[in-house]
Amino acid sequence: GNSVTQMEGPVTLSEEAFLTINCTYTATGYPSLFWYVQYPGEGLQLLLKATKADDKGSNKGFEATYRKETTSFHLEKGSVQVSDSAVYFCALSDRGNFNKFYFGSGTKLNVKP
Amino acid sequence: ETGVTQSPTHLIKTRGQQVTLRCSSQSGHNTVSWYQQALGQGPQFIFQYYREEENGRGNFPPRFSGLQFPNYSSELNVNALELDDSALYLCASSLREGVGEKLFFGSGTQLSVL
Repeated sequence: GNSVTQMEGPVTLSEEAFLTINCTYTATGYPSLFWYVQYPGEGLQLLLKATKADDKGSNKGFEATYRKETTSFHLEKGSVQVSDSAVYFCALSDRGNFNKFYFGSGTKLNVKP
Repeated sequence: ETGVTQSPTHLIKTRGQQVTLRCSSQSGHNTVSWYQQALGQGPQFIFQYYREEENGRGNFPPRFSGLQFPNYSSELNVNALELDDSALYLCASSLREGVGEKLFFGSGTQLSVL
């Protein structure tokens, strides 16, 4: 079946530190992979996506590369800001299954000034 | 371009009651999906509607039902509420476009069942 596993949080970093949030997946087909971000009291916002192996998604300084050989899609940012504090969700979509999305359990990021 | 809007934002019900949650899709989107997000968890797929018909369903009992209207807005109905139904309910709209189709989420309805 399909599933997503993320590193548990919370992750606490100082401003300008390097961020990595690990994400691995299990899929029966050829999924698309996504990172969504959720700020307090809000819904999920798309951060970036990748649709095939070796694709790199990027947005707002965040990057993630679709690694089929390791079934991973780790999120990275070179220098985090306080405003990046939020919960980050890794997800995959299964086109063969009416584009159902499977989400990880989320990783909370706290960035201190 | 208007985003996805949900109503109400918060709701308190008692066990056994029924509830209806509403969602307006982002302009131009023809597909609506509903997700349940329990506290501290990722969203779980409930069902999806495309062209006013249920197009797929997750592992939720039949007391969870829905509708999609000609203007692509949608409702989620939950009958015989249970305490475990307390969660954030998220509506997401999308445009059926094949690989990499993105979901756009509303801010959700926080349902508390007492």
